[in-house]
Amino acid sequence: EAQVTQNPRYLITVTGKKLTVTCSQNMNHEYMSWYRQDPGLGLRQIYYSMNVEVTDKGDVPEGYKVSRKEKRNFPLILESPSPNQTSLYFCASSPAGGPNYEQYFGPGTRLTVT
Amino acid sequence: KQEVTQIPAALSVPEGENLVLNCSFTDSAIYNLQWFRQDPGKGLTSLLLIQSSQREQTSGRLNASLDKSSGRSTLYIAASQPGDSATYLCAVKGAGSYQLTFGKGTKLSVIP
Repeated sequence: EAQVTQNPRYLITVTGKKLTVTCSQNMNHEYMSWYRQDPGLGLRQIYYSMNVEVTDKGDVPEGYKVSRKEKRNFPLILESPSPNQTSLYFCASSPAGGPNYEQYFGPGTRLTVT
Repeated sequence: KQEVTQIPAALSVPEGENLVLNCSFTDSAIYNLQWFRQDPGKGLTSLLLIQSSQREQTSGRLNASLDKSSGRSTLYIAASQPGDSATYLCAVKGAGSYQLTFGKGTKLSVIP
């Protein structure tokens, strides 16, 4: 089954403790992206990657890191999480950036930073 | 910078009614527009994608239209059912961009 998977689905952590949220897709997509969703603010893009070893900042990259060493994986790293990073995070992928390619989303990771 | 607005923020209708959800965007230079459905605590499910060269797309009881020059899209849901209750999001991909810009969504409740 074609899908985007994220792990963990739920995470509660403390301020400053480094964490990684994994994202993997099995559709051989070039493009992958991370979003966060907050009440009243909607979905905002954190980082995206157009292919292996090619990443760029989205609208809200501060406090996050990403890497794309393999085509299928795009982990999101929080080196020193803070309470304002408490949010619902989504990973997405797409075949490419063209007009007829839709984005597929993972199930989300709910992160709470205390 | 692209801005996407969805009105109303919430909508409640009795079962069986036809309804229209609205989406507007400020920059008409887009690649495509995508409508998603989000159930509480869940991920996003893609409903319809309209390329910038298209006027509408249909899938079952759903019909999405696009008027790029006026910066508007509508999602028409026919014969609404309680199972249609969810938040509906529209997102646009800018021309030459990999980025999706989302609206804040319309929360739909269909009352049995």
